[in-house]
Amino acid sequence: DGGITQSPKYLFRKEGQNVTLSCEQNLNHDAMYWYRQDPGQGLRLIYYSQIVNDFQKGDIAEGYSVSREKKESFPLTVTSAQKNPTAFYLCASTSRNEQFFGPGTRLTVL
Amino acid sequence: GQSLEQPSEVTAVEGAIVQINCTYQTSGFYGLSWYQQHDGGAPTFLSYNALDGLEETGRFSSFLSRSDSYGYLLLQELQMKDSASYFCAVRGSSNTGKLIFGQGTTLQVKP
Repeated sequence: DGGITQSPKYLFRKEGQNVTLSCEQNLNHDAMYWYRQDPGQGLRLIYYSQIVNDFQKGDIAEGYSVSREKKESFPLTVTSAQKNPTAFYLCASTSRNEQFFGPGTRLTVL
Repeated sequence: GQSLEQPSEVTAVEGAIVQINCTYQTSGFYGLSWYQQHDGGAPTFLSYNALDGLEETGRFSSFLSRSDSYGYLLLQELQMKDSASYFCAVRGSSNTGKLIFGQGTTLQVKP
């Protein structure tokens, strides 16, 4: 079955630590995205990548970093510079006019 | 700035029809999408309108009026499983798939 996988499902981090969220897709999509969702809110774009070895900042990129070394993979690092990282993180890829989402990672900073 | 406005909550009973409106103000417009998200889950695609008019997919329909910067999602024959959050999203660029999402509308379906 084709789709997007994200791991881990739940992640706990101590303040001051960097943490990397995994996103893998086997849909053969070129474009991939990272969103952040806070309780009761919409999705806000963190970073996106339209092709391997290229990525662009979204609306809330500060405190985050990404890489796109392979078409299938688009990991997101939440750095210690992100002041309020507790949130639900969603990875997505695009085919034409539809975005496909992974199941998400819920990050909690202790 | 860029913004999408939709009601925060809507309540309806099983079997009824409900309409969720979305107005947008964006620097570019290449289409309006709707996504459904159940509590704790991932958003799933419902519909996409690039041109004015009504698109129907089963119990769900979506409408767009570009001149009014307005669209809506119509849900018919409501079922309990339709209780979820619904997001409208604008594609603002022709050469990227970037979406700008609204804050979401929580639909509660009552028996």
